[in-house]
Amino acid sequence: EVQLVESGGGVVQPGGSLRLSCAASGFTLSRYWMHWVRQTPGKGLVWVGRINADGSDTFHAGSVMGRFTISRDNTKNTLSIQLNSLRAEDTAVYYCLRATDPVNRAFDLWGQGTMVTVSA
Amino acid sequence: DIQLTQSPSSLSAVVGDRITITCRASQTIENYLNWYHQRPGKAPKLLIYRASTLQSGVSSRFSGSGSGTDFTLTINSLQPEDFATYYCQQSYTNPRTFGQGTMVEVE
Repeated sequence: EVQLVESGGGVVQPGGSLRLSCAASGFTLSRYWMHWVRQTPGKGLVWVGRINADGSDTFHAGSVMGRFTISRDNTKNTLSIQLNSLRAEDTAVYYCLRATDPVNRAFDLWGQGTMVTVSA
Repeated sequence: DIQLTQSPSSLSAVVGDRITITCRASQTIENYLNWYHQRPGKAPKLLIYRASTLQSGVSSRFSGSGSGTDFTLTINSLQPEDFATYYCQQSYTNPRTFGQGTMVEVE
């Protein structure tokens, strides 16, 4: 089955760190650019960043730049995002997403999401 | 950043209705506009990409149109499984951005 499965969410104190993982199965991860998006009830869907197919290039949203880092290990079919210096406003469900291709650029596969709660 | 504004924010409908949701971009995005819907407790699902191309496996009652800054999603003959929240999203440039969502509720 073609799917993405996130893990690693939880409760963390402000200023803390967390590493989220996304396991890909049923397709060749190395062929796709991958993205992270988060969702909060108040602010809807917010794009966090992306990584190119071979992992040599990343782009992070301004709100997380310098605090979050996206990486991947294609040999292990895994995408990751390191969350540092967490703030209350980072509380959200985090989704990993597959982008269709560089031409069409839509998100055709989503994980089920993992919840991150930043609270003292 | 490119802002996407959806209207309406919510609407009430009944099974069989034809509904239209609009999405306006703050600057041109050519046709790099995608539509998703999200049912409660589930991840969003791609419906339409590049403004008007139906994603594989998605019902033909969904259709999209538009280019530049103005886009529409139309659902013909609304079905029970279509009551959900709908989002537009631009893939023209980084950062990718989403509209605020349109909740389609049972009237």
